[in-house]
This record gives sequence, structure tokens and C-alpha cells, in this order.
Amino acid sequence: DAGVIQSPRHEVTEMGQEVTLRCKPISGHNSLFWYRQTMMRGLELLIYFNNNVPIDDSGMPEDRFSAKMPNASFSTLKIQPSEPRDSAVYFCASSPSPGLAGGNEQFFGPGTRLTVL
Amino acid sequence: AQKVTQAQTEISVVEKEDVTLDCVYETRDTTYYLFWYKQPPSGELVFLIRRNSFDEQNEISGRYSWNFQKSTSSFNFTITASQVVDSAVYFCALRKDNDYKLSFGAGTTVTVRA
Repeated sequence: DAGVIQSPRHEVTEMGQEVTLRCKPISGHNSLFWYRQTMMRGLELLIYFNNNVPIDDSGMPEDRFSAKMPNASFSTLKIQPSEPRDSAVYFCASSPSPGLAGGNEQFFGPGTRLTVL
Repeated sequence: AQKVTQAQTEISVVEKEDVTLDCVYETRDTTYYLFWYKQPPSGELVFLIRRNSFDEQNEISGRYSWNFQKSTSSFNFTITASQVVDSAVYFCALRKDNDYKLSFGAGTTVTVRA
């Protein structure tokens, strides 16, 4: 079975450019998470979707960040305009519905390493 | 508030040595879940284990074993007879019941030398 799929795996862009990261969750998983990992701050939850609906976006750092989940099998995280401090590894994770009771584990994708010059 | 502390930043061992990673957590909830994840040099996060707060049985999976002790709020992870492929960053995480947020520790970097 395919795990969480993310693309691209690496992205190098210049400051001010728009960046779009993509995620395909595991089929049948109803919860989707976007995380950012940096040396300084570790793993941070950016946004959480349940059944394609954003439930908690309190971790989204600024208005420059936006995320969508148009259907159960696809999500995007967009940064516009990008800045050097956005350089990080961005992970997408999915979890079986509803991600609440039962302590279902989250399965992570391989991550997208973003470098903003 | 929930908090996970992995006091060991880095551990270096020689192959075949055992290595124990400490994880101490704080929570006011009676029902919660603990997790360990592995992040090898390739970068992906790999789920290793989930443990419920009401199940204190220790678990063994191959060379991996976990010791959960509610009395000391600890969920330690031991790698027996370590191998070079065990070199990775290991994260402990906590999630309370009826919540979706994982609280991650800072991670412990394990280096196994041949």
C-alpha cells in the first residue's frame, strides 16, 4: 500500500516567489496534517483537516501561508510570497478517521525540503 | 498543558551496544497516548509504536523494546544490539484523548558507529 505521498521532495526558490507543496494522504484516512520542521523550533503543526474541512489553522504562521483540501485525496500548502525564513522541511501526515478517540497514529510523508534564497 | 521532554540530545554508541532513550511527559489527562517515531538521515518520519495510558505492559519488537511507567511519567525506548542502520533521530510524542495534536519532544540523535 502506498503511504503518504508528497511532492516535490525538494524545492529551491527565490524570495518572493510562490511555492506550492502537494500531499496525497493514505486512502481511507480522514484526517490530514501539515507540519513544519526546523532546527530551531522542531516539529510544528501548521494546520489540521478532518473530512476535507480545516479544523485548526492556528499554527499557520502568517497570511502568506494557506492550505486547501479540495477532496479526500489531495491537499496543498501554499506560501505566497515566500521568504528565506520559510526554509524548512514540510511534512504532510494522515490518520484514520477521525483522529480522535483511539489515539490513532499519524503516518507521515517523506517531506518536502524547501529552500528559499 | 502537555509537554514531552527528551533530555538526551545526542547519544553515540558502538555497534552491538544497547542504547536507551529517555522520554518523560507531562499531562493532566487520565487517558492519553504515547508514540515513538524514527527519523533516519533520509528524512522521513517513521511510526514505531503507540501506547495507551491504561496499558502499562512493556512491549518488545525485535531489537526494540519500550518501558512505560505511569508512576514516573516515562516511556523509555531501548535498542538492543544496535546496528548502524539504527542511526537516526528518535522522537517521543504525546496526544491526549479526544484530541488530534501531537506534542513532540525535541528528539534524540542516535549515532551507531561500526
